[in-house]
Amino acid sequence: AQSVSQHNHHVILSEAASLELGCNYSYGGTVNLFWYVQYPGQHLQLLLKYFSGDPLVKGIKGFEAEFIKSKFSFNLRKPSVQWSDTAEYFCAVSFLYSGGGADGLTFGKGTHLIIQP
Amino acid sequence: DTAVSQTPKYLVTQMGNDKSIKCEQNLGHDTMYWYKQDSKKFLKIMFSYNNKELIINETVPNRFSPKSPDKAHLNLHINSLELGDSAVYFCASSLQGGGTQYFGPGTRLLVL
Repeated sequence: AQSVSQHNHHVILSEAASLELGCNYSYGGTVNLFWYVQYPGQHLQLLLKYFSGDPLVKGIKGFEAEFIKSKFSFNLRKPSVQWSDTAEYFCAVSFLYSGGGADGLTFGKGTHLIIQP
Repeated sequence: DTAVSQTPKYLVTQMGNDKSIKCEQNLGHDTMYWYKQDSKKFLKIMFSYNNKELIINETVPNRFSPKSPDKAHLNLHINSLELGDSAVYFCASSLQGGGTQYFGPGTRLLVL
């Protein structure tokens, strides 16, 4: 079965530090890739996505991610975090069927990010 | 206007009861989903509907039955609620399978 792994379950950083959250998936076929953020008590919001084209994608709030096909990875980065970035971050993958159609999203287990002022 | 809405936001009930959660999207999307988020924040897909037709039915107990009266609505009915059903249930929609999914605010279900 396809799976998604997030390597960091809890991350604590100080404001202005740089952030990188790892995400790997297991599937040899075509995928659509997403990062979602969930602020405390809120629903999931899309940070960024990759479907095709430039493997470096930019999202909202200064986040970016790089798709490395050979490594089955889609790591999230932000050069300088803010206190307001404290949230749960989820990597998600939609596995596309060769005959058309797709699975629903398979999520990683999430990374709880705490930014200390 | 809320793109994906769910009712109720909170649901507290006793074991053995039957309850429903409603979801509506006004984005004109063809595909809708139900996800369950457990106490450890892990999200797992339960069902997916495309234009009122069931597409994905993950390993979910028969007590859970989705119903899509039209492509803008996907409701979730749960029979004989159990303690383990306590979770946050999120509805989502996308223009098509594999596309960007937009999530509702979630329904926090607590079974006592």
